[in-house]
Amino acid sequence: LAKTTQPISMDSYEGQEVNITCSHNNIATNDYITWYQQFPSQGPRFIIQGYKTKVTNEVASLFIPADRKSSTLSLPRVSLSDTAVYYCLVRGTGFQKLVFGTGTRLLVSP
Amino acid sequence: GAVVSQHPSWVICKSGTSVKIECRSLDFQATTMFWYRQFPKQSLMLMATSNEGSKATYEQGVEKDKFLINHASLTLSTLTVTSAHPEDSSFYICSASPVTGDDQETQYFGPGTRLLVL
Repeated sequence: LAKTTQPISMDSYEGQEVNITCSHNNIATNDYITWYQQFPSQGPRFIIQGYKTKVTNEVASLFIPADRKSSTLSLPRVSLSDTAVYYCLVRGTGFQKLVFGTGTRLLVSP
Repeated sequence: GAVVSQHPSWVICKSGTSVKIECRSLDFQATTMFWYRQFPKQSLMLMATSNEGSKATYEQGVEKDKFLINHASLTLSTLTVTSAHPEDSSFYICSASPVTGDDQETQYFGPGTRLLVL
């Protein structure tokens, strides 16, 4: 399982774009990169997942460079409700366990 | 789609009693479910992998006789905390992955169960 490293915390203001970068230097060929959001006293919520290049959905974009040793979660125009902990995880194929790192605590202020 | 539920959402029990937590995949089937524990201000820690029709696989340091896991069907896994003690008080979260569909192998998490042992 590839170990991930991400900033412990980040601060932003409403309406700004937030980019959270995660490093996973020993990612394996078949590994996928997955991001989750967690609010206090709730289970993690799936945000986005990708293998390479760029993936976009209705809530976020995920940028993965060619070497795949890092990835960046981009949240466009954050609001106060985006204040949460964001986890970057690497998983292999199949129904494999996920190992959570410390996550990034994002605080969005007015 | 891909909704996972847990019951109960919170429970308070006396020390020495057993508590059962249910995890259900509501709109998909899951051959594998996972159980996590999370203490305040900390990250999720995987406890065990629950396999439908077979024994669970426990992570190192997790007592299998204390945390009993049963995966009776493709939509239900249960975690029983036996002889609970105050140090077992925590937030327990399960996850499951669809066996078919475009999002198979993606893990979806339940809302969690808050356990307080007095």
